[in-house]
Amino acid sequence: AQKVTQAQTEISVVEKEDVTLDCVYETRDTTYYLFWYKQPPSGELVFLIRRNSFDEQNEISGRYSWNFQKSTSSFNFTITASQVVDSAVYFCALSGLSNTGNQFYFGTGTSLTVIP
Amino acid sequence: DGGITQSPKYLFRKEGQNVTLSCEQNLNHDAMYWYRQDPGQGLRLIYYSQIVNDFQKGDIAEGYSVSREKKESFPLTVTSAQKNPTAFYLCASSIEGTRAHRGYTFGSGTRLTVV
Repeated sequence: AQKVTQAQTEISVVEKEDVTLDCVYETRDTTYYLFWYKQPPSGELVFLIRRNSFDEQNEISGRYSWNFQKSTSSFNFTITASQVVDSAVYFCALSGLSNTGNQFYFGTGTSLTVIP
Repeated sequence: DGGITQSPKYLFRKEGQNVTLSCEQNLNHDAMYWYRQDPGQGLRLIYYSQIVNDFQKGDIAEGYSVSREKKESFPLTVTSAQKNPTAFYLCASSIEGTRAHRGYTFGSGTRLTVV
């Protein structure tokens, strides 16, 4: 079964604090892809990152970093020195190479509020 | 610029009426998808289409219908049979239907409210 779990429903942090959003996934595929999307109040989902199952290197993009660990089936997302503009709902998603039809499995999202 | 356009952004419907949500893309993507978003439930797949003139039911297709007469268009009709249609609807597209590892491009959504 394919499943993505984002256990944190809502998180609030004060501006400039670091925050980590957790994502745990389940899949039987040996090749798969993991994604993070940001949904600001405007509603559109914005692509942040894609990572394939063979690349466990952590990635950093500005204040964003991602920690992929196959051993724990996790793909966590950290925002460093958070800003008010980071306030949004963040979705983790899984896509398996063998999938047909329902290509993506989304988590239920984590709503992040950054307090000024 | 290429992208996905959903219209209208806000839509109000009276109970018992059908309503159609528009989704147009100029990305030349093969596959298109409709998702429904409810608070605390993430995104649930309604319908998807991998090629023109073909579409498949997703997890929550009851009460909805779609068509795919053109590659760039994938309208969603919310019928009166949908018992709880108030939600946020997102349209997405991807380059290839069966290998969507390149990710989706999403529209900005339509918020439907039944009054």
